[in-house]
Amino acid sequence: KQEVTQIPAALSVPEGENLVLNCSFTDSAIYNLQWFRQDPGKGLTSLLLIQSSQREQTSGRLNASLDKSSGRSTLYIAASQPGDSATYLCAVRLEGSNYQLIWGAGTKLIIKP
Amino acid sequence: GAVVSQHPSWVICKSGTSVKIECRSLDFQATTMFWYRQFPKQSLMLMATSNEGSKATYEQGVEKDKFLINHASLTLSTLTVTSAHPEDSSFYICSALGDRAFSGGYTFGSGTRLTVV
Repeated sequence: KQEVTQIPAALSVPEGENLVLNCSFTDSAIYNLQWFRQDPGKGLTSLLLIQSSQREQTSGRLNASLDKSSGRSTLYIAASQPGDSATYLCAVRLEGSNYQLIWGAGTKLIIKP
Repeated sequence: GAVVSQHPSWVICKSGTSVKIECRSLDFQATTMFWYRQFPKQSLMLMATSNEGSKATYEQGVEKDKFLINHASLTLSTLTVTSAHPEDSSFYICSALGDRAFSGGYTFGSGTRLTVV
């Protein structure tokens, strides 16, 4: 059974720092992995989608990497800003699944001005 | 880009009444719709998966007679919470999977905060 774990559960850093969020999964047979952002009481915004054949994806100050063999993904945020404060969720889609996503519990990020 | 409109964004209802939540895909055809529930400080819990024109598949522990899902068209799916009770108070989010034009990604609604009093 696929399990997705995100560490740390919460993170608070000063503005301007670079930071890394971690996501691990137990079954390497994934179709893709996505990183999402959720603001309090709101829906989700897709940040980056990495297909199983890819190693990383970049969008602006965000860079996500994927290592299927070790069951790990990282989300790197450069030059953090207070507006980056949110909960970050990773989710994997399994190969051959009915398109279901398996979710991590999220990392709550606070960027202090 | 793909957009899913979810309404209402919040609703307060009395115990015993029913509440309908709608999700519409505005610029693509949602062949599959996922309904999630999220309790405070927890991640999303999948409730059910629905494909247009067929019955929804419910996750273990989710009462299909209480959470009625209708996916009658490729652009509209609804979740009706019947005979709501305070323990049904939660944040409900829909997610649509569209055609290949959107690279297999998922588009989420903005969520509905349900409070049952």
